[in-house]
Amino acid sequence: AQSVTQPDIHITVSEGASLELRCNYSYGATPYLFWYVQSPGQGLQLLLKYFSGDTLVQGIKGFEAEFKRSQSSFNLRKPSVHWSDAAEYFCAVGARRGSTLGRLYFGRGTQLTVWP
Amino acid sequence: DSGVTQTPKHLITATGQRVTLRCSPRSGDLSVYWYQQSLDQGLQFLIQYYNGEERAKGNILERFSAQQFPDLHSELNLSSLELGDSALYFCASSVSSGSSGELFFGEGSRLTVL
Repeated sequence: AQSVTQPDIHITVSEGASLELRCNYSYGATPYLFWYVQSPGQGLQLLLKYFSGDTLVQGIKGFEAEFKRSQSSFNLRKPSVHWSDAAEYFCAVGARRGSTLGRLYFGRGTQLTVWP
Repeated sequence: DSGVTQTPKHLITATGQRVTLRCSPRSGDLSVYWYQQSLDQGLQFLIQYYNGEERAKGNILERFSAQQFPDLHSELNLSSLELGDSALYFCASSVSSGSSGELFFGEGSRLTVL
């Protein structure tokens, strides 16, 4: 069965500290992997995605993620967190279905709090 | 701005009523997806349409239905509403080119059932 696990429901970091959000997935086919961010009252914004190739992918706002097939993981990292990064982060997995992207399976999200 | 437009942004209604949520995808996107977000269930996939045809169905209740029209906009109809249907309903559309793809989400329609 397809699923995404984000083990950390809530993480608190100080501004300027490094960040790593964990994501593990279970998927039967070659996965497409995504990280989305949701600010209060907003929709989901794509931070980065992985389809193939280099397993370290760069995204917007200084985020990066590394795909590790052997560990079925796709952890999100940022070397120095800014107060504006406080939001909820969602990991998702999916695959292409013919000429379009199939449904995405989302984790339960990790709420990030940033202390000044 | 993702380019996906959802209306209404907020909706308050009573149990037993019926509502319609509307979604306009990004220009040129053929796929539309509906998700329900609630505190207890997280982001739940409801249904996907591709170029007017149903492509995939998830945890969508029989009281809910959707369709995608020839102009590619989509509507999600929720009937016989219950308190538990209170949630944020997202529409997303996807671009598909080559081996790439991603979902672009609207800002959601917040439904409150009293």
